[in-house]
Amino acid sequence: GAVVSQHPSRVICKSGTSVKIECRSLDFQATTMFWYRQFPKQSLMLMATSNEGSKATYEQGVEKDKFLINHASLTLSTLTVTSAHPEDSSFYICSARGVETQYFGPGTRLLVL
Amino acid sequence: AQSVTQLGSHVSVSEGALVLLRCNYSSSVPPYLFWYVQYPNQGLQLLLKYTSAATLVKGINGFEAEFKKSETSFHLTKPSAHMSDAAEYFCAVSEESQGAQKLVFGQGTRLTINP
Repeated sequence: GAVVSQHPSRVICKSGTSVKIECRSLDFQATTMFWYRQFPKQSLMLMATSNEGSKATYEQGVEKDKFLINHASLTLSTLTVTSAHPEDSSFYICSARGVETQYFGPGTRLLVL
Repeated sequence: AQSVTQLGSHVSVSEGALVLLRCNYSSSVPPYLFWYVQYPNQGLQLLLKYTSAATLVKGINGFEAEFKKSETSFHLTKPSAHMSDAAEYFCAVSEESQGAQKLVFGQGTRLTINP
């Protein structure tokens, strides 16, 4: 099956700093990628849809100036959490759209101190 | 808007017993339905999907699910549970939005296997 990678797998940062998370489709091109957030023991909540070469579409309630998304190529989308705060600590998962399904990355655990 | 309800946040079965994880959906259009499995601290792995072809869908690791339109259900089953099946399972429905395949997830069901 299709492979999606995320980097880093885990990151710890200080409050007020910015963190960039990369999502790559390794063996296929993805014009659309998705970013999800998952709190402990909860389901995945879609944050935004990332489209190659255009602006991301954010879900209601998600601050686009705080969660910057860039999809500069057909195999890479990045999520930057700007001025991170402890409440941004979460598990962030990306996915890439394939044929009739999405392929998920392994996730990035963000801890903001 | 489409939605998914998974009945039972936690299901516990004995090794070798039948696994049944329930999923009901709401949709005003023919849906695409998915079951994903998540192991601790990992992303989601696709188990199976329904895309308007056969109503009984077979997936990986011996799992299968049956689409029942009259019941708006897509329950996941496995005849004989294995210890390695212990994980979190998510049912999801696709929602076409702006040309993208937007997924709406259920709350998840944690499956525990007792030796």
